Amino acid sequence: AQSVTQLGSHVSVSEGALVLLRCNYSSSVPPYLFWYVQYPNKGLQLLLKYTSAATLVKGINGFEAEFKKSETSFHLTKPSAHMSDAAEYFCAVSGSQGGSEKLVFGKGTKLTVNP
Amino acid sequence: DGGITQSPKYLFRKEGQNVTLSCEQNLNHDAMYWYRQDPGQGLRLIYYSQIVNDFQKGDIAEGYSVSREKKESFPLTVTSAQKNPTAFYLCASSRVDVETQYFGPGTRLLVL
Repeated sequence: AQSVTQLGSHVSVSEGALVLLRCNYSSSVPPYLFWYVQYPNKGLQLLLKYTSAATLVKGINGFEAEFKKSETSFHLTKPSAHMSDAAEYFCAVSGSQGGSEKLVFGKGTKLTVNP
Repeated sequence: DGGITQSPKYLFRKEGQNVTLSCEQNLNHDAMYWYRQDPGQGLRLIYYSQIVNDFQKGDIAEGYSVSREKKESFPLTVTSAQKNPTAFYLCASSRVDVETQYFGPGTRLLVL
């Protein structure tokens, strides 16, 4: 069974500072990993996904994440935070190698960007 | 425009009432999903369907029902048996051969 732990339910950074949102996963099979972003009262939007190709994955809006198998981690980073990055971020894992499969979501990290 | 639509945006339920949330997609996706979102709880899977006329229970199916009569549509009914229905409900869809799920804008259900 898969599970996801997001460390820190709230993260606050200054505009222009590094953003680091942590995600650790547990999976009995090689995982597919995802980061989604949610703005208030909106649906989730895919930021990026890892599907066993490159371990460093680049996504939209300048975000990237690195898959580290030895650490079972998939942390999300952005070099310089922008006010528009303020949102809630969800990490998710799927154990499927192909074919629709349930996603298991973390509980989310709310990012605040201070001017 | 391709995408997923959910209606209504806000829904109010009275005691003992069943209410139905709509989800429609024009992405030609085979799989569709319903999630419930509560503050600090992440997303929890209610039901999912990989093909028309078939669906499976997720982690929190009690008090909910679904149907999948058309590929484009996956309505969710919140029955009177669901004692704590106040939440944000999200519908998603995906192709059967890939895992990426695409989400609708959500419906917020409130109890009067």
